[in-house]
Amino acid sequence: EAQVTQNPRYLITVTGKKLTVTCSQNMNHEYMSWYRQDPGLGLRQIYYSMNVEVTDKGDVPEGYKVSRKEKRNFPLILESPSPNQTSLYFCASSLYGNEKLFFGSGTQLSVL
Amino acid sequence: GENVEQHPSTLSVQEGDSAVIKCTYSDSASNYFPWYKQELGKGPQLIIDIRSNVGEKKDQRIAVTLNKTAKHFSLHITETQPEDSAVYFCAASTGGTSYGKLTFGQGTILTVHP
Repeated sequence: EAQVTQNPRYLITVTGKKLTVTCSQNMNHEYMSWYRQDPGLGLRQIYYSMNVEVTDKGDVPEGYKVSRKEKRNFPLILESPSPNQTSLYFCASSLYGNEKLFFGSGTQLSVL
Repeated sequence: GENVEQHPSTLSVQEGDSAVIKCTYSDSASNYFPWYKQELGKGPQLIIDIRSNVGEKKDQRIAVTLNKTAKHFSLHITETQPEDSAVYFCAASTGGTSYGKLTFGQGTILTVHP
């Protein structure tokens, strides 16, 4: 089954404790991206990767890092999480560019 | 950068009625406009998209219209059904060096009452 898999589904952590949210796709897609969803703000893009060689910032990259060492994986790293990063996070992928995105099921993160 | 405004934030209709959600965008260079549907507890799913060289696109009960001059686009759902209840997001992007960027609206919670 074609899918984007995020883990974990739920995560509660404390301020300053490094964490990684994994994202994997099995569709051989070139493009992958991370979004955060907050009430009243919609989906905001954190980082995107056009392919394994090109990664760039979205609209809200501060406090986040990403890595694209292989085509199928695009982990989101929070090196020192803060409470304002409490949010619902989505990973997405597409064959090319930001069109016709496939989204994962989301990761609900709470930073205490 | 691009800014997308979406209205209304909530929309309640009776089954069988039509629903319209509107979005405006700020960057006249934007040329791709998708709409996503998000059901409770799930990730968004693409339902329809349109490019700037097309004024209207239909897919069964769903249609999208684009007015480039006014920089706004709309989602039209006809003969609504309870399963249409969800959060709907519009988005806009430009091509070229910004091909990876996609800016979403704030979302519309659509409720269809049986």
